[in-house]
Amino acid sequence: AQTIHQWPVAEIKAVGSPLSLGCTIKGKSSPNLYWYWQATGGTLQQLFYSITVGQVESVVQLNLSASRPKDDQFILSTEKLLLSHSGFYLCAWSLERGAQDTQYFGPGTRLLVL
Amino acid sequence: SQLAEENLWALSVHEGESVTVNCSYKTSITALQWYRQKSGEGPAQLILIRSNEREKRNGRLRATLDTSSQSSSLSITATRCEDTAVYFCATESNMGYKLTFGTGTSLLVDP
Repeated sequence: AQTIHQWPVAEIKAVGSPLSLGCTIKGKSSPNLYWYWQATGGTLQQLFYSITVGQVESVVQLNLSASRPKDDQFILSTEKLLLSHSGFYLCAWSLERGAQDTQYFGPGTRLLVL
Repeated sequence: SQLAEENLWALSVHEGESVTVNCSYKTSITALQWYRQKSGEGPAQLILIRSNEREKRNGRLRATLDTSSQSSSLSITATRCEDTAVYFCATESNMGYKLTFGTGTSLLVDP
């Protein structure tokens, strides 16, 4: 069975501080990986996707970056947090692209920037 | 502009009633998905309906797709309290890997 794990579960960070969020998918080889951001009460906005190790495509610019150092790992980071970075960060995986296939979401990381 | 949006922000029904959530989109699609997100959790897919399908069922759930009017609906019969969640439709853009979610409809099922 496939499992998706995100860490940390929640973070409270200061404006201007760095951030690193992680996501690991077990039980699935070479998945497509995605990062989403969700403001409280808002919709999901796709931030990045990756179809292979070492390759990440940016969908929107939010002063964030992403990397895929291993087939089963996806990292979201920034060197300097903004207040607007607060929200719920979700990692997801799929086998096919876009709306052609189910995206399986992790439990998310809740981030509060003060 | 949004590629997909649900037509109502919030709905409230009593347990056992049926409810329909609607979604409209603005570009041609090859598939549309419906997701449900319970409070504090990640979304979970309910139904994937392809552009050559008019209707898809999954238990108490029924999705329809009308490509001529660029709209979709998700109906839930015999609602339960555990159906309380936000319901999103999601479509692809011409970028291929980008899945665009609608604004969501919050459904409250009262006992």
